[in-house]
Amino acid sequence: DAGITQSPRYKITETGRQVTLMCHQTWSHSYMFWYRQDLGHGLRLIYYSAAADITDKGEVPDGYVVSRSKTENFPLTLESATRSQTSVYFCASTHPSTGELFFGEGSRLTVL
Amino acid sequence: QQQVKQSPQSLIVQKGGISIINCAYENTAFDYFPWYQQFPGKGPALLIAIRPDVSEKKEGRFTISFNKSAKQFSLHIMDSQPGDSATYFCAASTTGRRALTFGSGTRLQVQP
Repeated sequence: DAGITQSPRYKITETGRQVTLMCHQTWSHSYMFWYRQDLGHGLRLIYYSAAADITDKGEVPDGYVVSRSKTENFPLTLESATRSQTSVYFCASTHPSTGELFFGEGSRLTVL
Repeated sequence: QQQVKQSPQSLIVQKGGISIINCAYENTAFDYFPWYQQFPGKGPALLIAIRPDVSEKKEGRFTISFNKSAKQFSLHIMDSQPGDSATYFCAASTTGRRALTFGSGTRLQVQP
């Protein structure tokens, strides 16, 4: 049971570059989420998706773009990376019956 | 806007002691209150959850206490063990909106 796979696990990039973080789930869960984790802020919601082709903004969406053409994939793109986007990014999906949120292992992004 | 406030930021407990982490929320529409546990380098994982129709829920050494009138809930870890050393997040959500709002996290260290 692979669950949620995120790639890359580690990424270093430069200010102004475009970066895409990939997320793949094997359960066919409808809801998927992107959170960022920063010390002192906990986990903050960036974007979420209720189903393929349906996405919505979370608490901190500025500077990010998402798409969901297939149920199992939910990529997150930083169109022009900034240093403030240095963070650990977690993808998650929700079990349809229990509401439990399952997280991937995270993608650590450093923007120089 | 921090809708879920968590304290303390860090906690050191001796093996066998009781660890207590507190959270307060503002949105009275919240009706699902989970706690997540996160080990270094891993994504958060559901530990225990409660809905506001009960004041307490216990699972093994872990107990959630819920006070609806005060808009507060807490996690108690009885007989704390070194293996419990992790970061703990409280969270909240409303029925129909699957996205969780997380607290800022508590780093727990259980000393042997």
